[in-house]
Amino acid sequence: DAKTTQPPSMDCAEGRAANLPCNHSTISGNEYVYWYRQIHSQGPQYIIHGLKNNETNEMASLIITEDRKSSTLILPHATLRDTAVYYCIVRVLMYSGGGADGLTFGKGTHLIIQP
Amino acid sequence: DSGVTQTPKHLITATGQRVTLRCSPRSGDLSVYWYQQSLDQGLQFLIQYYNGEERAKGNILERFSAQQFPDLHSELNLSSLELGDSALYFCASSVATSAGGPGSYNEQFFGPGTRLTVL
Repeated sequence: DAKTTQPPSMDCAEGRAANLPCNHSTISGNEYVYWYRQIHSQGPQYIIHGLKNNETNEMASLIITEDRKSSTLILPHATLRDTAVYYCIVRVLMYSGGGADGLTFGKGTHLIIQP
Repeated sequence: DSGVTQTPKHLITATGQRVTLRCSPRSGDLSVYWYQQSLDQGLQFLIQYYNGEERAKGNILERFSAQQFPDLHSELNLSSLELGDSALYFCASSVATSAGGPGSYNEQFFGPGTRLTVL
């Protein structure tokens, strides 16, 4: 799996958009970008994933640059409950019927939402 | 609530002892993963089971073992415990992937974790 680089911490004001960057300059053509988050000692939670097109779901948007070497996770209206460590993970999907291998978590970005 | 359950929530034991952590995956999920989260190592993948069979291994110590039973629940056995084994242990599950095309993915659903303290 490709390595990722994320800032160790970020602040964002409540109600504003939180933009979390991730660099993955060695990403391969068949690797996807996944985002998970972990709210203080709880189990990590899946947020969103994408290959090369921008993606949006009820939680967030994912913007992937055209060269796919970096991406940005956007939380459109951050709330205090969004304070968490956000992990950007790049990995190949496994289609072989057994599910994918384990996720490789880096140190992530500790996002702190300020009231 | 992810639908993945783990027991116990907390476990305190002594060095040299053996413990068993239990995980029940979401209904219908065939894959179970175990992760360890310690302060110095972060979140690390240990092992994956799929429909009762070991599928992938990560940074799992030889003192640790796991299995998945016919009802799909899984147990992680930790033996000869050391102080450094104190950590949060998470279980995750995912749906089985059929031979799908682009766009299929394996979102993993994590349980609340078991906090192990070795004294």
